[in-house]
Amino acid sequence: QTAVTQEPSISVSPGGTVTLTCGLSSGSVSTSYYPSWYQQTPGQAPRPLIYSTNSRSSGVPDRFSGSILGNKAALTIRGAQADDECDYYCVLYMGGGISVFGGGTRLTVL
Amino acid sequence: QVTLKESGPALVKPTQTLTLTCTFSGFSLSTSGMRVSWIRQPPGKALEWLGRIDWDDDKFYITSLKTRLTISKDTSKDQVLLTMTNMDPVDTATYYCARINPHLYMDVWGKGTTVTVSS
Repeated sequence: QTAVTQEPSISVSPGGTVTLTCGLSSGSVSTSYYPSWYQQTPGQAPRPLIYSTNSRSSGVPDRFSGSILGNKAALTIRGAQADDECDYYCVLYMGGGISVFGGGTRLTVL
Repeated sequence: QVTLKESGPALVKPTQTLTLTCTFSGFSLSTSGMRVSWIRQPPGKALEWLGRIDWDDDKFYITSLKTRLTISKDTSKDQVLLTMTNMDPVDTATYYCARINPHLYMDVWGKGTTVTVSS
């Protein structure tokens, strides 16, 4: 079964820009996978950020953007803030009714 | 306002069957394009999509747990049920339900319910 891959951890400086990626263990991610992104702080339910590759969920600041970069989906955060420090998950729709989460990326702002 | 809330036992014994209920409001699972998913997260680990049920009663499950999972809905009560048989300590996790909107993403989540599997 194809796995969804994410960087285990990434760091960014306050005010900086960082890109998190979401790939496949085999093959390329395209818009047909309807990539979506979720932010999760400890002890909380995930918060939707991005859907259908690059659409922002309600209330999400435009510092967060989604795209396809090469063969992966990408989440870019501009002007990183201290409270952006948490876990980020992507989800890909694999077809046949099945969705798969990536392993998550822990973002550190320092 | 769309809300979802998970409920069920906090503790189950190994080999027992777990049944969780997702009670929702603010939308109808009879409406075309609406779906509800179940997701779980073991302590300190990643989120894992378990399955979903659609407005037309189609159901889909993660391959690795397909033989143990059943998702059903009671439209009259605005509830979705998750049943998982033969529970094992590795199934200890926080279980979430989430609405999937027509854009195929989980736009509203419940707060989750924690299930511990232990004798």
